[in-house]
Amino acid sequence: AQKVTQAQTEISVVEKEDVTLDCVYETRDTTYYLFWYKQPPSGELVFLIRRNSFDEQNEISGRYSWNFQKSTSSFNFTITASQVVDSAVYFCALRPYNNNDMRFGAGTRLTVKP
Amino acid sequence: GAVVSQHPSRVICKSGTSVKIECRSLDFQATTMFWYRQFPKQSLMLMATSNEGSKATYEQGVEKDKFLINHASLTLSTLTVTSAHPEDSSFYICSARDLIGGPTTYEQYFGPGTRLTVT
Repeated sequence: AQKVTQAQTEISVVEKEDVTLDCVYETRDTTYYLFWYKQPPSGELVFLIRRNSFDEQNEISGRYSWNFQKSTSSFNFTITASQVVDSAVYFCALRPYNNNDMRFGAGTRLTVKP
Repeated sequence: GAVVSQHPSRVICKSGTSVKIECRSLDFQATTMFWYRQFPKQSLMLMATSNEGSKATYEQGVEKDKFLINHASLTLSTLTVTSAHPEDSSFYICSARDLIGGPTTYEQYFGPGTRLTVT
């Protein structure tokens, strides 16, 4: 069975603070994809990153960075120098390599205050 | 990137009526489309998977007679909520899979969602 856990329901930070959103997953598959999506108040899911299970290199994209630790089944997301526009719900998701079954975590609501 | 559209973006209907939501892949062919439901402040839950030209596969607990899915072409899937009730009020999101590159490299694209309110 697959499961994605985002233990942080809500996080509130002040602008320019760094913030890390946690994601822990469970799967029996040896190969899989991990994702992060942003959902602003408009509701549309915005794709942020996809990482496959055999690539444990961390990734940085501007103010965003991702730390994939297969040993702890975690795929954490850090926003550096947060901005008000980063306020949204962020979802972590897991999908096996060769099928359709994408599972989402419960989401973390991030509020960045000015 | 590829674009998935949904229509309507918002719909309000009366209890007992049926509502149809369209999902289109605008610049790619999608042999598989997915329908998700998201209740307020909750996560996305997969309702069903539809493959073009065949019957949809529903997740456990989703009533197939209530949520009719038709995937008649490679660019269009529809979800019809029949005899809608207030508890069906939710945010419905479709997703389409682009098979270019083979099944292990496919991308999955999400539509903007449809907010259904049943009064």
